[in-house]
Amino acid sequence: GQQVMQIPQYQHVQEGEDFTTYCNSSTTLSNIQWYKQRPGGHPVFLIQLVKSGEVKKQKRLTFQFGEAKKNSSLHITATQTTDVGTYFCAGPKTGNQFYFGTGTSLTVIP
Amino acid sequence: KAGVTQTPRYLIKTRGQQVTLSCSPISGHRSVSWYQQTPGQGLQFLFEYFSETQRNKGNFPGRFSGRQFSNSRSEMNVSTLELGDSALYLCASNYNSYEQYFGPGTRLTVT
Repeated sequence: GQQVMQIPQYQHVQEGEDFTTYCNSSTTLSNIQWYKQRPGGHPVFLIQLVKSGEVKKQKRLTFQFGEAKKNSSLHITATQTTDVGTYFCAGPKTGNQFYFGTGTSLTVIP
Repeated sequence: KAGVTQTPRYLIKTRGQQVTLSCSPISGHRSVSWYQQTPGQGLQFLFEYFSETQRNKGNFPGRFSGRQFSNSRSEMNVSTLELGDSALYLCASNYNSYEQYFGPGTRLTVT
Protein backbone atom coordinates (compact mmCIF):
# COMPACT_ATOMS: atom_id res chain seq x y z
CA GLY A 1 0.00 0.00 0.00
CA GLN A 2 0.92 3.63 -0.23
CA GLN A 3 3.37 4.88 2.33
CA VAL A 4 4.72 8.30 3.12
CA MET A 5 8.07 8.24 4.87
CA GLN A 6 9.64 11.25 6.48
CA ILE A 7 13.21 11.84 7.65
CA PRO A 8 14.75 12.65 9.98
CA GLN A 9 12.49 11.67 12.87
CA TYR A 10 14.17 14.16 15.21
CA GLN A 11 16.37 17.18 14.64
CA HIS A 12 18.06 19.41 17.17
CA VAL A 13 19.53 22.65 15.87
CA GLN A 14 21.08 25.75 17.37
CA GLU A 15 19.00 28.83 16.90
CA GLY A 16 20.04 30.44 13.64
CA GLU A 17 20.96 27.18 11.92
CA ASP A 18 19.02 25.85 8.96
CA PHE A 19 16.71 22.82 9.06
CA THR A 20 15.40 20.48 6.39
CA THR A 21 12.90 17.63 6.53
CA TYR A 22 12.30 15.24 3.65
CA CYS A 23 9.17 13.38 2.65
CA ASN A 24 9.11 10.38 0.30
CA SER A 25 6.13 8.54 -1.12
CA SER A 26 6.08 5.06 -2.59
CA THR A 27 3.63 6.27 -5.22
CA THR A 28 3.13 9.41 -7.29
CA LEU A 29 1.10 12.04 -5.47
CA SER A 30 -1.43 14.40 -6.98
CA ASN A 31 -0.46 16.94 -4.36
CA ILE A 32 1.30 17.17 -1.02
CA GLN A 33 0.44 19.15 2.06
CA TRP A 34 2.60 20.26 4.97
CA TYR A 35 1.41 20.78 8.54
CA LYS A 36 3.04 21.99 11.74
CA GLN A 37 2.09 20.76 15.18
CA ARG A 38 3.36 22.68 18.18
CA PRO A 39 3.99 20.71 21.39
CA GLY A 40 0.63 20.02 23.02
CA GLY A 41 -1.20 21.43 20.01
CA HIS A 42 -2.89 20.19 16.89
CA PRO A 43 -1.68 20.11 13.28
CA VAL A 44 -1.97 23.40 11.46
CA PHE A 45 -1.94 23.59 7.67
CA LEU A 46 1.09 25.32 6.17
CA ILE A 47 0.89 24.81 2.42
CA GLN A 48 -0.15 22.60 -0.48
CA LEU A 49 2.04 21.85 -3.50
CA VAL A 50 0.47 20.56 -6.69
CA LYS A 51 2.80 20.96 -9.65
CA SER A 52 5.85 18.89 -10.50
CA GLY A 53 9.00 20.73 -9.41
CA GLU A 54 6.99 23.40 -7.62
CA VAL A 55 8.79 25.63 -5.11
CA LYS A 56 6.91 27.88 -2.69
CA LYS A 57 8.24 30.18 -0.02
CA GLN A 58 6.69 31.49 3.16
CA LYS A 59 9.13 33.91 4.78
CA ARG A 60 11.94 31.65 6.06
CA LEU A 61 10.22 28.42 4.94
CA THR A 62 10.83 26.93 1.48
CA PHE A 63 8.75 24.02 0.24
CA GLN A 64 9.63 21.88 -2.78
CA PHE A 65 7.73 19.20 -4.67
CA GLY A 66 9.88 16.76 -6.61
CA GLU A 67 9.84 16.45 -10.38
CA ALA A 68 8.41 12.93 -10.14
CA LYS A 69 5.86 14.10 -7.54
CA LYS A 70 7.02 11.37 -5.16
CA ASN A 71 9.07 13.47 -2.76
CA SER A 72 8.98 16.83 -1.08
CA SER A 73 11.05 18.88 1.31
CA LEU A 74 10.63 21.68 3.79
CA HIS A 75 13.62 23.92 4.50
CA ILE A 76 13.72 26.50 7.25
CA THR A 77 16.41 29.16 7.06
CA ALA A 78 17.88 30.59 10.26
CA THR A 79 15.64 28.75 12.71
CA GLN A 80 14.01 30.55 15.60
CA THR A 81 12.58 29.18 18.83
CA THR A 82 9.11 29.76 17.40
CA ASP A 83 9.84 27.08 14.79
CA VAL A 84 9.79 24.35 17.46
CA GLY A 85 7.28 21.60 16.72
CA THR A 86 6.65 18.57 14.58
CA TYR A 87 6.38 19.00 10.84
CA PHE A 88 4.24 16.55 8.89
CA CYS A 89 3.81 16.02 5.19
CA ALA A 90 0.56 14.49 3.96
CA GLY A 91 -0.28 12.91 0.64
CA PRO A 92 -3.79 12.13 -0.56
CA LYS A 93 -5.09 8.66 -1.25
CA THR A 94 -8.63 9.24 -2.36
CA GLY A 95 -10.78 12.27 -1.70
CA ASN A 96 -9.98 13.59 1.72
CA GLN A 97 -8.16 10.47 2.91
CA PHE A 98 -4.59 11.49 3.59
CA TYR A 99 -1.50 9.51 4.46
CA PHE A 100 0.54 11.49 6.94
CA GLY A 101 4.29 11.13 7.17
CA THR A 102 5.80 10.07 10.47
CA GLY A 103 6.77 13.65 11.18
CA THR A 104 10.02 15.40 12.04
CA SER A 105 10.28 16.81 15.53
CA LEU A 106 12.33 19.99 15.54
CA THR A 107 14.00 21.29 18.68
CA VAL A 108 15.67 24.68 18.53
CA ILE A 109 18.33 25.36 21.15
CA PRO A 110 18.56 29.04 22.06
CA LYS B 1 -15.45 31.87 12.15
CA ALA B 2 -15.17 29.61 15.15
CA GLY B 3 -12.68 26.79 14.76
CA VAL B 4 -13.22 23.07 14.98
CA THR B 5 -14.32 22.02 18.44
CA GLN B 6 -14.01 18.62 20.06
CA THR B 7 -15.53 17.31 23.24
CA PRO B 8 -14.52 16.10 25.66
CA ARG B 9 -10.89 17.23 25.71
CA TYR B 10 -9.79 14.49 28.09
CA LEU B 11 -11.26 11.12 28.90
CA ILE B 12 -10.24 8.19 31.06
CA LYS B 13 -11.92 4.83 30.47
CA THR B 14 -11.28 1.25 31.47
CA ARG B 15 -10.77 -1.70 29.20
CA GLY B 16 -13.98 -3.13 27.78
CA GLN B 17 -15.92 0.13 28.02
CA GLN B 18 -17.06 2.16 25.07
CA VAL B 19 -16.58 5.83 24.34
CA THR B 20 -18.17 8.46 22.12
CA LEU B 21 -16.26 11.52 20.96
CA SER B 22 -17.81 14.56 19.35
CA CYS B 23 -16.58 16.99 16.72
CA SER B 24 -18.18 20.19 15.48
CA PRO B 25 -16.65 21.40 12.22
CA ILE B 26 -16.20 24.94 11.03
CA SER B 27 -19.49 26.39 9.85
CA GLY B 28 -20.04 25.53 6.20
CA HIS B 29 -17.62 22.61 6.16
CA ARG B 30 -19.37 19.39 5.18
CA SER B 31 -16.39 17.05 5.35
CA VAL B 32 -15.16 15.74 8.69
CA SER B 33 -12.22 13.36 9.02
CA TRP B 34 -11.03 11.54 12.12
CA TYR B 35 -7.43 10.65 12.95
CA GLN B 36 -5.74 8.70 15.70
CA GLN B 37 -2.38 10.06 16.85
CA THR B 38 0.01 7.99 18.93
CA PRO B 39 3.76 8.38 19.52
CA GLY B 40 4.49 5.05 17.87
CA GLN B 41 2.16 5.16 14.86
CA GLY B 42 1.91 8.86 14.14
CA LEU B 43 -1.23 10.26 12.55
CA GLN B 44 -3.47 7.54 11.16
CA PHE B 45 -6.64 8.12 9.20
CA LEU B 46 -9.76 6.57 10.68
CA PHE B 47 -12.61 7.71 8.41
CA GLU B 48 -14.14 10.64 6.63
CA TYR B 49 -17.76 11.73 6.50
CA PHE B 50 -19.33 14.01 3.94
CA SER B 51 -23.00 14.97 3.94
CA GLU B 52 -23.82 12.27 6.49
CA THR B 53 -22.15 9.51 4.43
CA GLN B 54 -18.91 7.73 5.18
CA ARG B 55 -16.80 8.48 2.14
CA ASN B 56 -13.46 6.97 3.09
CA LYS B 57 -12.32 4.51 5.71
CA GLY B 58 -8.89 3.72 7.07
CA ASN B 59 -7.54 0.42 8.23
CA PHE B 60 -9.04 0.16 11.70
CA PRO B 61 -11.12 -2.64 13.23
CA GLY B 62 -14.89 -2.51 13.30
CA ARG B 63 -14.81 -1.40 16.94
CA PHE B 64 -14.19 2.07 15.54
CA SER B 65 -17.26 3.63 14.00
CA GLY B 66 -18.60 7.05 13.30
CA ARG B 67 -21.49 9.03 12.01
CA GLN B 68 -22.33 12.51 10.84
CA PHE B 69 -25.46 14.48 11.46
CA SER B 70 -27.34 16.81 9.15
CA ASN B 71 -25.63 19.83 10.73
CA SER B 72 -22.23 18.25 9.84
CA ARG B 73 -21.37 17.53 13.45
CA SER B 74 -19.72 14.15 13.75
CA GLU B 75 -19.26 11.54 16.42
CA MET B 76 -16.92 8.61 16.60
CA ASN B 77 -17.46 5.60 18.81
CA VAL B 78 -14.99 3.04 20.05
CA SER B 79 -16.45 -0.08 21.59
CA THR B 80 -14.75 -2.67 23.79
CA LEU B 81 -11.82 -0.39 24.53
CA GLU B 82 -8.31 -1.83 24.59
CA LEU B 83 -5.18 -0.38 26.19
CA GLY B 84 -3.80 0.27 22.71
CA ASP B 85 -6.66 2.64 21.96
CA SER B 86 -5.07 5.23 24.24
CA ALA B 87 -4.30 8.11 21.91
CA LEU B 88 -5.08 11.64 20.87
CA TYR B 89 -8.12 11.58 18.58
CA LEU B 90 -8.22 14.47 16.18
CA CYS B 91 -10.96 15.53 13.87
CA ALA B 92 -10.46 17.81 10.91
CA SER B 93 -12.98 19.66 8.81
CA ASN B 94 -12.54 20.61 5.21
CA TYR B 95 -14.43 22.74 2.71
CA ASN B 96 -13.08 22.01 -0.74
CA SER B 97 -10.63 19.13 -0.41
CA TYR B 98 -7.91 21.64 0.31
CA GLU B 99 -6.51 22.36 3.73
CA GLN B 100 -7.77 20.48 6.72
CA TYR B 101 -8.60 22.40 9.87
CA PHE B 102 -7.88 20.30 12.92
CA GLY B 103 -9.60 20.51 16.26
CA PRO B 104 -7.71 20.45 19.57
CA GLY B 105 -8.28 16.72 19.95
CA THR B 106 -9.60 14.41 22.63
CA ARG B 107 -6.95 12.73 24.76
CA LEU B 108 -8.25 9.23 25.56
CA THR B 109 -6.56 7.14 28.21
CA VAL B 110 -7.60 3.51 28.61
CA THR B 111 -6.63 1.84 31.89
